[in-house]
Amino acid sequence: AQSVAQPEDQVKVAEGNPLTVKCTYSVSGNPYLFWYVQYPNRGLQFLLKYITGDNLVKGSYGFEAEFNKSQTSFHLKKPSALVSDSALYFCAVSEAPGSSNTGKLIFGQGTTLQVKP
Amino acid sequence: GAGVSQSPRYKVAKRGQDVALRCDPISGHVSLFWYQQALGQGPEFLTYFQNEAQLDKSGLPSDRFFAERPEGSVSTLKIQRTQQEDSAVYLCASSYGQGAQPQHFGDGTRLSIL
Repeated sequence: AQSVAQPEDQVKVAEGNPLTVKCTYSVSGNPYLFWYVQYPNRGLQFLLKYITGDNLVKGSYGFEAEFNKSQTSFHLKKPSALVSDSALYFCAVSEAPGSSNTGKLIFGQGTTLQVKP
Repeated sequence: GAGVSQSPRYKVAKRGQDVALRCDPISGHVSLFWYQQALGQGPEFLTYFQNEAQLDKSGLPSDRFFAERPEGSVSTLKIQRTQQEDSAVYLCASSYGQGAQPQHFGDGTRLSIL
């Protein structure tokens, strides 16, 4: 069965410092990996995805993520955090399309990022 | 362009009542997903439509939950005889295809069952 783990409920960083939000996954085939951000009382906004190719993917708002197949990880990173980055971040996985795969997303529990001025 | 629109944004119902939640996906998006997000949790998959066909309803928690997308655009999630454990945010997402295509989410309907 597919699963996603976000081991940290909360990450706190100072503005201007680099940030990392961790994610590990378990999937039977080749994974499609996603990061989404959620602001209060809003839906999820897509940040970036890994499908295939370069292990370092770049996304919206200066975020990037590194796919590590051997460690089954897909950590979200940003070189310099902003106060406005404070939000709830979700890692998600879906299996590569196949005869029985619908593309549904399996989400982690979420990590609250707090960036202090 | 317009994003995914969900209505109502908030719904309060008494236990035992039926509710209907609406999702208007992005125009031209073939795939439509419903998720349930409990407080403090990640979204959990409920059901999936490809155009008007409901191809996966494995996540629906009971036969009280019913979803439809009769013309392949707007979708409705109906919950009959609501119970307190149905209280959650219900998120709708659409995508042009499946798998590699990112899903675009609406702002959700917050359902509270008294």
